[in-house]
Amino acid sequence: EVQLVESGGGLVQPGRSLKLSCAASGFTFSNYGMAWVCQAPTKGLEWVASISTGGGNTYYRDSVKGRFTISRDNAKNTLYLQMDSLRSEDTATYYCARLGGDYWGQGVMVTVSS
Amino acid sequence: DVVLTQTPVAQPVTLGDQASISCRSSQSLVHSNGNTYLEWYLQKPGQSPQLLIYKVSNRFSGVPDRFIGSGSGSDFTLKISRVEPEDLGVYYCFQATHDPYTFGAGTKLELK
Repeated sequence: EVQLVESGGGLVQPGRSLKLSCAASGFTFSNYGMAWVCQAPTKGLEWVASISTGGGNTYYRDSVKGRFTISRDNAKNTLYLQMDSLRSEDTATYYCARLGGDYWGQGVMVTVSS
Repeated sequence: DVVLTQTPVAQPVTLGDQASISCRSSQSLVHSNGNTYLEWYLQKPGQSPQLLIYKVSNRFSGVPDRFIGSGSGSDFTLKISRVEPEDLGVYYCFQATHDPYTFGAGTKLELK
C-alpha cells in the first residue's frame, strides 16, 4: 500500500526556519518525481515545489523561491522541504504528493506567528 | 504564470442531477511533447485532495464513469452525471504543462 506521511510541522516565529519531511513507502520512491502543495486555512490549493526522480531538477512557485528548498534522499525514501525566512502568509497545511497527483499525504500544519 | 479560471465558484445541485464545471486557462496547456497536462481533483471536507482525471479526459483508477473530463487547448470541462452524496466537496483543476504549475481557485459542489 502506498503511503506518504508528513512530519515536522508546528508553530514557528516569523523569520525562523522549519524542515518538513515526507516518508514514502509502498512504491519505488526513486522512480517518481515528488511535490509539495499547500493550503492556507479556508483557502484553495497552491503548488509549492517539485523535484525530479534523482533530485537534479527542482521547481518552485515564485513566492517561495530563494526561501524554500525541496530535496530528497532516495536511500531513505524521504522527501524534504526546508523552509527559511518564514512569513505569516506561509501559514498552511502542507501536503506531499507523488507527481501525477495519484497519491497524497494527510498533510502537516505549519503556523507562522509571533 | 498560467492562470486557471474556474466557474462557477459554487454549484448547488440536487442528488441525481448533472453538474458541470469549467476551467479556462490564460494560455494553451498543450505541452511541447503534444500532451495536455490538465488534471481534476476533488477535496472532501477534512481530507487530502484525490485525483479524478488526468491529461484532460483519463479517469484515474477507481473513479466512476459518471465523471467525464473534456476539452482542449485552453478550455476544459468536468461533467458529473447523476451526482451522488460522496461527490460533494471542492473541485480543482490543475495544470502541469507550464512551470510554475498552478491550480484553479476551486468550485464547491453543494446540495441545494
